[in-house]
Amino acid sequence: EVQLVESGGGLVQPGGSLRLSCSAPGFTLSSYSMNWVRQAPGKGLEWVAYISITSGTIYYADSVKGRFTISRDNAENSLYLQMNSLRDEDTAVYYCVRLLQLWASPHYYYGLDVWGQGTTVTVSS
Amino acid sequence: EIVLTQSPGTLSLSPGERATLSCRASQNVGSNYLAWYQQKPGQAPRLLIYGASSRATGIPDRFSGSGSGSDFTLIITRLEPEDFAVYYCQQFGPSPPYTFGQGTRLEI
Repeated sequence: EVQLVESGGGLVQPGGSLRLSCSAPGFTLSSYSMNWVRQAPGKGLEWVAYISITSGTIYYADSVKGRFTISRDNAENSLYLQMNSLRDEDTAVYYCVRLLQLWASPHYYYGLDVWGQGTTVTVSS
Repeated sequence: EIVLTQSPGTLSLSPGERATLSCRASQNVGSNYLAWYQQKPGQAPRLLIYGASSRATGIPDRFSGSGSGSDFTLIITRLEPEDFAVYYCQQFGPSPPYTFGQGTRLEI
């Protein structure tokens, strides 16, 4: 079964750090670009970060730029999100998500096709 | 940053009826860069439509997407009880951020 499994969430004080991990039992994560998406309690979805297959291209939402770092270890079949200088507004469920990228000439087509179950990060004193 | 505005915010319908959900972008997105998701309470979102009109694997044909440029539509014909959920559109336009719309809640 194709699945993603996140871990590393928890309660942290404002200004603190946390590292989220995502593993991919059932498929080869190194064959896909990956993303982190978050959802604050009772709110909508917010795209957080993207990393290409080789880690050569990385993007962040402005809300986390300079504080969060996305990385991957293809040998370990794992994805990570290092979160520093955490704020109250970073409280959310964080999802590890696979990018579907299909080529149908003359375009690529995109979607987020495999989602983890999410890990909860709570930033509070 | 491309802003996606979904309407209506809440849509109240009955099983068997047809639902029409709208997603409007603040600038041209390109039809190959628009996706739709369904999210039920306590669950992760599920990809329904990519490339504005292509159904993802396992998605029933009562779900259809259309549109191009900056106006996109998700139609659900013959609503089933399990279709009542929150629906989000997302764009993968020329550059990040890959923004989501604020969501449409489809309720009975």
